[in-house]
Amino acid sequence: AQSVAQPEDQVNVAEGNPLTVKCTYSVSGNPYLFWYVQYPNRGLQFLLKYITGDNLVKGSYGFEAEFNKSQTSFHLKKPSALVSDSALYFCAVRDNTNAGKSTFGDGTTLTVKP
Amino acid sequence: EAGVTQFPSHSVIEKGQTVTLRCDPISGHDNLYWYRRVMGKEIKFLLHFVKESKQDESGMPNNRFLAERTGGTYSTLKVQPAELEDSGVYFCASSHGTDNSPLHFGNGTRLTVT
Repeated sequence: AQSVAQPEDQVNVAEGNPLTVKCTYSVSGNPYLFWYVQYPNRGLQFLLKYITGDNLVKGSYGFEAEFNKSQTSFHLKKPSALVSDSALYFCAVRDNTNAGKSTFGDGTTLTVKP
Repeated sequence: EAGVTQFPSHSVIEKGQTVTLRCDPISGHDNLYWYRRVMGKEIKFLLHFVKESKQDESGMPNNRFLAERTGGTYSTLKVQPAELEDSGVYFCASSHGTDNSPLHFGNGTRLTVT
């Protein structure tokens, strides 16, 4: 079975400050890891993914995430937050032995204040 | 390319009634998924189609839910009869055939059962 935990329901940061949204996962095989963002009344949009290789992956809108196998984590980061980054963020994992199903976390609401 | 489209965007029905949700995936995407988010919690997997075949329907909650994808194009999800606990946001997503492809989501259908 695979699972994802996003330990923080809410993250608040000031504009211009760095942000981190946390994610830990559990899978039986090698993980494929994803971050998605959801704006109000919209569907989820893909931000970035880790499949293999470099542990630091870069994605859309200046976001990046660091894969840490020993800690089974895949935290989302951005060096300088924008007010427009305020949204709901979901981490997801897919086991490379299970071609279909992605498992999502509960989501973390990011609020960036001016 | 056109994105994943879902219809209707909102549906309010009474307990015991029937509702059918529709999803049109991105053209050429063989993989189609249904997910549900209830009460602001995690996004839960319902089922996965590869073309017209059900690859995995382990997340379907009970036999009141019926999903079809005739001809491998659009998909429908019928709830009959609806119960109060079926309320939530139903998302459809599609992807290319590779394991590490990100999901492309529709905007979701918000279902309210009263």
